[in-house]
Amino acid sequence: QKEVEQNSGPLSVPEGAIASLNCTYSDRGSQSFFWYRQYSGKSPELIMFIYSNGDKEDGRFTAQLNKASQYVSLLIRDSQPSDSATYLCAVIRAGNNRKLIWGLGTSLAVNP
Amino acid sequence: GAVVSQHPSRVICKSGTSVKIECRSLDFQATTMFWYRQFPKQSLMLMATSNEGSKATYEQGVEKDKFLINHASLTLSTLTVTSAHPEDSSFYICSANDRDLTYEQYFGPGTRLTVT
Repeated sequence: QKEVEQNSGPLSVPEGAIASLNCTYSDRGSQSFFWYRQYSGKSPELIMFIYSNGDKEDGRFTAQLNKASQYVSLLIRDSQPSDSATYLCAVIRAGNNRKLIWGLGTSLAVNP
Repeated sequence: GAVVSQHPSRVICKSGTSVKIECRSLDFQATTMFWYRQFPKQSLMLMATSNEGSKATYEQGVEKDKFLINHASLTLSTLTVTSAHPEDSSFYICSANDRDLTYEQYFGPGTRLTVT
């Protein structure tokens, strides 16, 4: 079992819809959770981070963390074609020197 | 804020030569910098973690004598690929932690290395 798991997709949504991306992690000691967006041929860009249970909203993005169930999700409202990218979930375990443990990413396609 | 730059963005070199890649945090001080490698359509692979003023910590399987890392200041880390071979051709990306924030890592734009 991988430490951080994501559905590879592709996840296809129509423009204007809500895209829902999910991530589960295996280490209960994980304490910090991140969503990065990566366009093809580019480096990752930090979209959201969340440290506490519950929801965190930033513009069209909402991150949701449920430590009891060990999952973190990212909702993208009013999806745009420019949101088409690979979304990477990453986790930091307690005492792990800030090292990110990465999921393999979910490919999102937003269709005009 | 939290801008990280890398130089060069692209480099082509001949087998056997060495290449140095610079990573700079432009508007913050980076206690810790990370170096990654990414092959086409594959996940990011952490190569090493560098802390300012101390030796880098390399991940298992990464040759420290081949990939030399120097984190000489709170805003600069360098990765030198020594005696490069075609199989070293890859996308090299650095990231940095802002010492005033908690755990967020900000990535540089990456360096595409091609060894001929």
